[in-house]
Amino acid sequence: DIQMTQSPSTLSASMGDTVTITCRASQSVYSWLAWYQQKPGKAPKLLIYGASTLESGVPSKFSGSGSGTEFTLTISGLQPDDFATYYCQQYQSQSSFGQGTKLEI
Amino acid sequence: EVQLVESGGGLVQPGRSLRLSCVASGFTFEDYAMHWVRQVPGKGLEWVSGISWKSGTIDYADSVKGRFTISRDNAKKALYLDMNSLRTEDMALYYCAKDARIRGFANALDNWGQGTMVIVS
Repeated sequence: DIQMTQSPSTLSASMGDTVTITCRASQSVYSWLAWYQQKPGKAPKLLIYGASTLESGVPSKFSGSGSGTEFTLTISGLQPDDFATYYCQQYQSQSSFGQGTKLEI
Repeated sequence: EVQLVESGGGLVQPGRSLRLSCVASGFTFEDYAMHWVRQVPGKGLEWVSGISWKSGTIDYADSVKGRFTISRDNAKKALYLDMNSLRTEDMALYYCAKDARIRGFANALDNWGQGTMVIVS
């Protein structure tokens, strides 16, 4: 099984900041990686797939990079709507998620 | 607009069974793999099971293998999860999710339902 580890678990930031969340895989997942945003009481929303491809309708303030075992999600110009929990997901072998990163004000 | 509506959750005793359903609309259901993902309230996401567009490929997380069975009825645009020998650790919100890639299998999940809660107690 492929284990996904996100860091940090909690990230404090301010309006207008640019932040980066890291996701590491226990073995190579090539570019088979997605990022999701989840708000309290809501289902996850797909932001990025293929490590760096923005899902349709997702603003360009979100960007993803990386390949192999290390990936990053960068969010620029933080607005109130961006404060949520973010998950990475590998789908190279079955599927597994990171434990989540809570982005808080 | 894609809609996924889960049902079938509820309170069940350990060792008993439950069947979850997910009805889809707004896309060509028979062309996409479907998945179940669960989440303990306040905790992270766990992929549970997936089924390809024609049911030719089925996979399960180790935590549910041998106890859960995924199936689909393309004519009814419905996805199912039969859960047997339920354990307290199966208690979670169960989401139905659509595979992002047409006629793929293991991919990103681009549409999710609102979930149905399973309580094992």
